[in-house]
Amino acid sequence: DAMVIQNPRYQVTQFGKPVTLSCSQTLNHNVMYWYQQKSSQAPKLLFHYYDKDFNNEADTPDNFQSRRPNTSFCFLDIRSPGLGDAAMYLCATSSTDYYEQYFGPGTRLTVT
Amino acid sequence: GENVEQHPSTLSVQEGDSAVIKCTYSDSASNYFPWYKQELGKRPQLIIDIRSNVGEKKDQRIAVTLNKTAKHFSLHITETQPEDSAVYFCAASVGSNYQLIWGAGTKLIIKP
Repeated sequence: DAMVIQNPRYQVTQFGKPVTLSCSQTLNHNVMYWYQQKSSQAPKLLFHYYDKDFNNEADTPDNFQSRRPNTSFCFLDIRSPGLGDAAMYLCATSSTDYYEQYFGPGTRLTVT
Repeated sequence: GENVEQHPSTLSVQEGDSAVIKCTYSDSASNYFPWYKQELGKRPQLIIDIRSNVGEKKDQRIAVTLNKTAKHFSLHITETQPEDSAVYFCAASVGSNYQLIWGAGTKLIIKP
């Protein structure tokens, strides 16, 4: 089945210790998104890629970086996690032909 | 900036009754309006969507209506069941772009 996969599903990191979350997709969608979601709030868009073009949201902290080495994979790097970065991180994909966003299962990040 | 307002934030209905969730958007160029359902600890999943050239769309117990003049759209769930309990998010496209602006979410509680 075509899908969006995120690894790991749960990640525990120490305050200030860099962490990388990964996302892969088999849908061949040209757009990939990273969202942060806290406590049943709406997903908050951090950035997205349209093909290789990176688009950062204005209020995304510099602490968050992303890489998309190819169509299938996308990574979220948190350079120095703070306690406030504990959240669910959702990866999503869409095509530009039809806008439906397909979400991965998410990575729950805990910062100790 | 553009925004989507969603009401109510919490909705409690008796099992078997109908539930209605309303959203208002600000960007008159928005042309795509999805509704996502998110169960506790799970990913958001698309349940229904509508485009601006259609006024209403129905899928079994779920329907969405769109009023472009008033810039609002609504989710209607009939004959509610316990498995309908979840958080529901509306969203609107950024103009005719593939990006979405999300509503704040509605927690739907189905009382037995």
